Amino acid sequence: QVQLQESGPGLVKPSETLSLTCTVSVGGTISSYCWSWIRQPAGQGLEWIGLICSSGNTIYNPSLESRVGMSVDRSKNQFSLKLSSVTAADTAVYFCARQYSHRSERWFDPWGPGTPVYVSS
Amino acid sequence: EIVMTQSPGTLSVSPGERATLSCRASQSVSRNLAWYQQKPGQAPRLLIYGASTRATGIPARFSGSGSGTEFTLTISSLQSEDFAVYYCQQYNDWPPLYTFGQGTKLEIK
Repeated sequence: QVQLQESGPGLVKPSETLSLTCTVSVGGTISSYCWSWIRQPAGQGLEWIGLICSSGNTIYNPSLESRVGMSVDRSKNQFSLKLSSVTAADTAVYFCARQYSHRSERWFDPWGPGTPVYVSS
Repeated sequence: EIVMTQSPGTLSVSPGERATLSCRASQSVSRNLAWYQQKPGQAPRLLIYGASTRATGIPARFSGSGSGTEFTLTISSLQSEDFAVYYCQQYNDWPPLYTFGQGTKLEIK
């Protein structure tokens, strides 16, 4: 059963770049799937940030597109998120999740447990 | 962007009773809709995809229905572990812009 685990700094200074990695393990593989990042500010709802497919193709939420970058490292079974020029509004729990490649199968399952990121000086 | 609106915001139901949660899309999403359950401090868990197909391991008391713009999640007989926040999510938009509803909190009456 595939498992996902987010990792990265829990504290980022304003105007700097947030960097997170999601490791896919326990029988999972990066290949043949797409992988998304989703975030959730405390007490609020869920916001999709973007996805990267095993082919390397990326699609980002237009509201964040100018600040987002994603990459995949197949050798390590990992994919990563970079979000630049962060502000306090980027403080949230960040989740990674798997999606199937076909556009009609783009639900999120499974999810990583999430990692909190605080933006503060 | 397709806006997903869930109602009610909070639903108070007694254990053993039925709960009905609604989700409305601002434009048709066909049947490309999923439901998730989220408990405090945990990640969301997939319950339903394709509007009505239960995910692996999800009890039969959870059922989904609807198509187009109107969707419903029904929990037939509430168990203590079902009290949580529920989100709907559409995956019909192209180019992809996946959006979630704001959530319905299901609480014990």
